[in-house]
Amino acid sequence: DQQVKQNSPSLSVQEGRISILNCDYTNSMFDYFLWYKKYPAEGPTFLISISSIKDKNEDGRFTVFLNKSAKHLSLHIVPSQPGDSAVYFCAVTNTGNQFYFGTGTSLTVIP
Amino acid sequence: ETGVTQSPTHLIKTRGQQVTLRCSSQSGHNTVSWYQQALGQGPQFIFQYYREEENGRGNFPPRFSGLQFPNYSSELNVNALELDDSALYLCATQRGAEETQYFGPGTRLLVL
Repeated sequence: DQQVKQNSPSLSVQEGRISILNCDYTNSMFDYFLWYKKYPAEGPTFLISISSIKDKNEDGRFTVFLNKSAKHLSLHIVPSQPGDSAVYFCAVTNTGNQFYFGTGTSLTVIP
Repeated sequence: ETGVTQSPTHLIKTRGQQVTLRCSSQSGHNTVSWYQQALGQGPQFIFQYYREEENGRGNFPPRFSGLQFPNYSSELNVNALELDDSALYLCATQRGAEETQYFGPGTRLLVL
C-alpha cells in the first residue's frame, strides 16, 4: 500500500525552462509535505516544505504547490539549472514521527 | 552537509549474519529515524527513536532493532540477514517532532 506516489520516474528539461515534479498521496490526514533532493552516494537533502494550511510556498527558484482536495503536490523549479539534476523525493507526515516517501523522480537538466 | 554521519559507508555480509550500523546525530537533534532504501525505491521507514525510546515503527520484522544513546547517536541492528536486506540504510535526525528531517549519507549493505 503505497501512501505516496511519484508517477514519473524520470524527467528531462532544457536549462532555463521550468521543471515540474508531481506527487500524489492517499491519506487526507497528512498535514506536512516535503521535497528532498538526492545526489548519488549522498543522503537526501531537504529542499522545501509546506504545511496543509497553505497552498503555496516559495523559496528562490523552488515553489511547492499543494492541492488538498486532489491530494496532490508539485514542485516547480524555475529556471532549471544543470546542478538541479538529481533524484527528487516527496515525503509526507502527520505527526512528525513517521514519514512516507515517494519512489522518486530523476530530473535531468540539459545544458 | 547536514552534520549527520553514518558508519560504515559500505558493508558486505553473508546470509544469516548480523550487522550493526551507526548514526551520529546533528547537535540539538534528539530524534532519529532509520530508513531502508532499496534500489529504485524511496526510503521506507523502519523505526524512530526519541530520547532513547522507540517512538514508532514501520512494517519491518523484529530482527530489525535499534538503540539510541544519551548523546542521541543511534544504532540499527539487523539479525539473521537475508538477501533482500541488501539496500542503502539511511538515518535521519530531527529536533523533537519537528517536521524536517536531516539525513546522513547512508550505509550501503550488500548481503551475499
